[in-house]
Amino acid sequence: DAMVIQNPRYQVTQFGKPVTLSCSQTLNHNVMYWYQQKSSQAPKLLFHYYDKDFNNEADTPDNFQSRRPNTSFCFLDIRSPGLGDAAMYLCATSRDRKPDNEQFFGPGTRLTVL
Amino acid sequence: GENVEQHPSTLSVQEGDSAVIKCTYSDSASNYFPWYKQELGKRPQLIIDIRSNVGEKKDQRIAVTLNKTAKHFSLHITETQPEDSAVYFCAASFGNEKLTFGTGTRLTIIP
Repeated sequence: DAMVIQNPRYQVTQFGKPVTLSCSQTLNHNVMYWYQQKSSQAPKLLFHYYDKDFNNEADTPDNFQSRRPNTSFCFLDIRSPGLGDAAMYLCATSRDRKPDNEQFFGPGTRLTVL
Repeated sequence: GENVEQHPSTLSVQEGDSAVIKCTYSDSASNYFPWYKQELGKRPQLIIDIRSNVGEKKDQRIAVTLNKTAKHFSLHITETQPEDSAVYFCAASFGNEKLTFGTGTRLTIIP
């Protein structure tokens, strides 16, 4: 089945130690999103790619970076994780830039910062 | 700016009764309103959506209504079942490929 895959599902890192989360998709969608979701809160968009065009949200900290080497893969890099970065990180895709395209979510990576 | 408000934050309903969750949005240019269901520890999944040229949409026990004048939309679940227990998020697209999510409603179905 076509899907959005995230690895790892659980990631533990130490305060200040860089970490990379990965997302892959078999849907061949042009748009890929990264969301941060803290407990009992709504998903918060960090940034998204339309093809190779990177779109950062104004309030996303510089500590968060992203790479999209090809259509299928997208990475979230946290350069120096703080305790406040512990959260679920959700990757999502949509077919193109049309506002009414469905977003398909991956299962998420739960990040713990020690 | 773009804002979506959602109420209530928690809702408990007797099994078999109906549940209603309401959202309001700030930008009249919004044209797409999806609802996502997120079970504990799982990914958000689209359950129903509505576009701005439609006032109501129904899919079995789930319906969504949209009032563009008042800038609010609602999710209606009838004949609720235990498997309906989850967190529900409304969202709105403000004319581009991004979604702004509401704060979520934790729905509990009481057997």
